[in-house]
Amino acid sequence: SQQGEEDPQALSIQEGENATMNCSYKTSINNLQWYRQNSGRGLVHLILIRSNEREKHSGRLRVTLDTSKKSSSLLITASRAADTASYFCATDTGRRALTFGSGTRLQVQP
Amino acid sequence: DGGITQSPKYLFRKEGQNVTLSCEQNLNHDAMYWYRQDPGQGLRLIYYSQIVNDFQKGDIAEGYSVSREKKESFPLTVTSAQKNPTAFYLCASSETTGESGGAFFGQGTRLTVV
Repeated sequence: SQQGEEDPQALSIQEGENATMNCSYKTSINNLQWYRQNSGRGLVHLILIRSNEREKHSGRLRVTLDTSKKSSSLLITASRAADTASYFCATDTGRRALTFGSGTRLQVQP
Repeated sequence: DGGITQSPKYLFRKEGQNVTLSCEQNLNHDAMYWYRQDPGQGLRLIYYSQIVNDFQKGDIAEGYSVSREKKESFPLTVTSAQKNPTAFYLCASSETTGESGGAFFGQGTRLTVV
């Protein structure tokens, strides 16, 4: 079952622009996490936001969480060509393993 | 150098064969997971283990089997009962389920049926 669903499925922007990805989920969670995947590689953990937090920052990343709407957003500011990758949200309900969404494919044009 | 290692990177299976994918971690993590990823798709959970000698089915366990005899190792066997095994398989580990601070992933094994 897909707990998280990302939107948009694909995003193409120019270097220096900001990229925003959204994630919606269905059940209550302990935390929500964002991961990055370069083509053909494993996933890398980017940031975790707990259910009692509303916003979190890490470098050029900003994550928000709205538990009333069951949604989260990931903002990458001042994007670089090296940010080109797929980005996944994952929800942790505390009952089993992480459940991943279908991902957003980000293309940053130099 | 701590991490999680999957092998082999590429694997070819003939129809009717069982194959085993290796996953080893030296992070001292209790929990380990296997996910399957099809082209352009998200990750689907096959099996997970929260502690040695215990494991649970995920969403798509049919045609797969696992064991967790050691904390460091969580091999996945793709059996001949799995009718469409061609996919990218990802192994991950985390400190515990529930309050995980984030999962660490291996680099994946790409399995192809020939």
